[in-house]
Amino acid sequence: DGGITQSPKYLFRKEGQNVTLSCEQNLNHDAMYWYRQDPGQGLRLIYYSQIVNDFQKGDIAEGYSVSREKKESFPLTVTSAQKNPTAFYLCASSQWTDSNQPQHFGDGTRLSIL
Amino acid sequence: EDKVVQSPLSLVVHEGDTVTLNCSYEVTNFRSLLWYKQEKKAPTFLFMLTSSGIEKKSGRLSSILDKKELFSILNITATQTGDSAVYLCAIQGAQKLVFGQGTRLTINP
Repeated sequence: DGGITQSPKYLFRKEGQNVTLSCEQNLNHDAMYWYRQDPGQGLRLIYYSQIVNDFQKGDIAEGYSVSREKKESFPLTVTSAQKNPTAFYLCASSQWTDSNQPQHFGDGTRLSIL
Repeated sequence: EDKVVQSPLSLVVHEGDTVTLNCSYEVTNFRSLLWYKQEKKAPTFLFMLTSSGIEKKSGRLSSILDKKELFSILNITATQTGDSAVYLCAIQGAQKLVFGQGTRLTINP
């Protein structure tokens, strides 16, 4: 089945700890995205990547880092600098960033602070 | 700055009712407007609209775009409990999607 796989589904972070959220896609999409969703709010863009080894900051990149070493993988690290990391994190992909093809989403990772 | 505003933020209706969800936007480089349905996890794609006045339809759901007045509506007729979800509107700009806050729709039996 083609799709986007996010893991883990639930993640707990201790104070001062970095954690990494995994996102893998087998849709052969060039572009990948990370969003954060807080209760009662829409999705806010953290980082996006148009091609391998290249990525751009979104609207709320502070406290987060990403890498894009392979086309199918776009992991997100929530660093200790992110003071309010509790949220639902969604990964998405699309053919490319300016295409008129919709983004497809993974099932998300829910991150909480211990 | 690109902006998307959805209304109402929350709506509770009875099964069988018809609902209309609204989405207004401001964007500097419009490419398309998208509607997604989000139940508990991944948003699932409903419609992509690029041209004014052309209704897109899928079963009991339909949507239309007005590029002059900068808004879109999503209609759901003969609602069912399975339609309960958050409905997200998003604008595709030059490089990225900008999402609205979402409308939480609850259908009571």
